[in-house]
Amino acid sequence: AQKVTQAQTEISVVEKEDVTLDCVYETRDTTYYLFWYKQPPSGELVFLIRRNSFDEQNEISGRYSWNFQKSTSSFNFTITASQVVDSAVYFCALSENYGQNFVFGPGTRLSVLP
Amino acid sequence: SQTIHQWPATLVQPVGSPLSLECTVEGTSNPNLYWYRQAAGRGLQLLFYSIGIDQISSEVPQNLSASRPQDRQFILSSKKLLLSDSGFYLCAWSGLNTEAFFGQGTRLTVV
Repeated sequence: AQKVTQAQTEISVVEKEDVTLDCVYETRDTTYYLFWYKQPPSGELVFLIRRNSFDEQNEISGRYSWNFQKSTSSFNFTITASQVVDSAVYFCALSENYGQNFVFGPGTRLSVLP
Repeated sequence: SQTIHQWPATLVQPVGSPLSLECTVEGTSNPNLYWYRQAAGRGLQLLFYSIGIDQISSEVPQNLSASRPQDRQFILSSKKLLLSDSGFYLCAWSGLNTEAFFGQGTRLTVV
């Protein structure tokens, strides 16, 4: 069965600090997808990134970067030079079966203090 | 472009009353559709997902049911609400090998 673990329940940082959100997943499939979503206070989930199991290249998008390591079943998310607007709950998710079933981690609440 | 609409945004219902939350997707065909529930301060729990009309899988036994009367319409229902049904309900859709796109959610309070 698939499972996603986000061990950090809450993280607080001061603006401009770097922060890494951890994600560890479990799956028996060789083909799967990993995602990160942001949930601001408004509640809507905002898609950030998708990674498939055959692409272990790390990705950078502005202040965001992602580190995918199959050897440790991890897909960590780093925010560089954090800003107050980054405050939100961040979810890591896993999908098998060509996207027919998404399983989410419990989320990490990030608070960026001015 | 594809859009997903979910309504109502907020709902306050008495215990024992029925529930109907509606979700529609535009700009795509044969989407996978999902209903998730998020209790206050908690993660997302998958309630139902559907890969086609009248093809619905239930992930958690509960007081709720789902229907998909049309290809791009997904309805979450209950005949009698319980206090424990309170939460934030999110509808989502996905295509083949794509990410899930979420509606804006319905905040349900059962009183």
